[in-house]
Amino acid sequence: QQQVKQSPQSLIVQKGGISIINCAYENTAFDYFPWYQQFPGKGPALLIAIRPDVSEKKEGRFTISFNKSAKQFSLHIMDSQPGDSATYFCAARNSGTYKYIFGTGTRLKVLA
Amino acid sequence: EPEVTQTPSHQVTQMGQEVILRCVPISNHLYFYWYRQILGQKVEFLVSFYNNEISEKSEIFDDQFSVERPDGSNFTLKIRSTKLEDSAMYFCASQTERSGNTIYFGEGSWLTVV
Repeated sequence: QQQVKQSPQSLIVQKGGISIINCAYENTAFDYFPWYQQFPGKGPALLIAIRPDVSEKKEGRFTISFNKSAKQFSLHIMDSQPGDSATYFCAARNSGTYKYIFGTGTRLKVLA
Repeated sequence: EPEVTQTPSHQVTQMGQEVILRCVPISNHLYFYWYRQILGQKVEFLVSFYNNEISEKSEIFDDQFSVERPDGSNFTLKIRSTKLEDSAMYFCASQTERSGNTIYFGEGSWLTVV
């Protein structure tokens, strides 16, 4: 119930391509869904976030698509760049708590 | 841009020793967290702290762990008797308010227990 399942575990994309990372959850009490980007040796940095009453949110090259009925959300990185190579974590917050549940992470490598 | 700062960046300690990890959250933030990340694994919630008390803790946060905010600015995580499996990156995070804003992470303290 408290898990967030993330896939794929790793992803290799050509420069200029689209990177897609998927997450799924079971707990309908989750009310906030951020995506974090993490570079080696650094803390996770907020990339983009969405609430379940919105189906899509776009910020620059990053888009979150949210399917409330399917309990799935995904991150799309358009025009992927080598500098986007990092580990990406989806997360979800339970409306009744202060804690965030993280997915298992996706290691993205964008080839030059 | 304001940031969460953590010290030390890396600490090596003997098994059984006490460790204190320190954090200075973003100044106007009210909610504070500790998370940990074992090498190559996902980020795991340890504890949240608000209004000078623990709001929530995970099953990982057992009696060996404690947190406090001794002086209104620092937020510390203490591990009383470290075990090998405590080796991980520990992230402090803070948040202005529970609804609306997400949490901002520090760069982490890498703890190695030998």
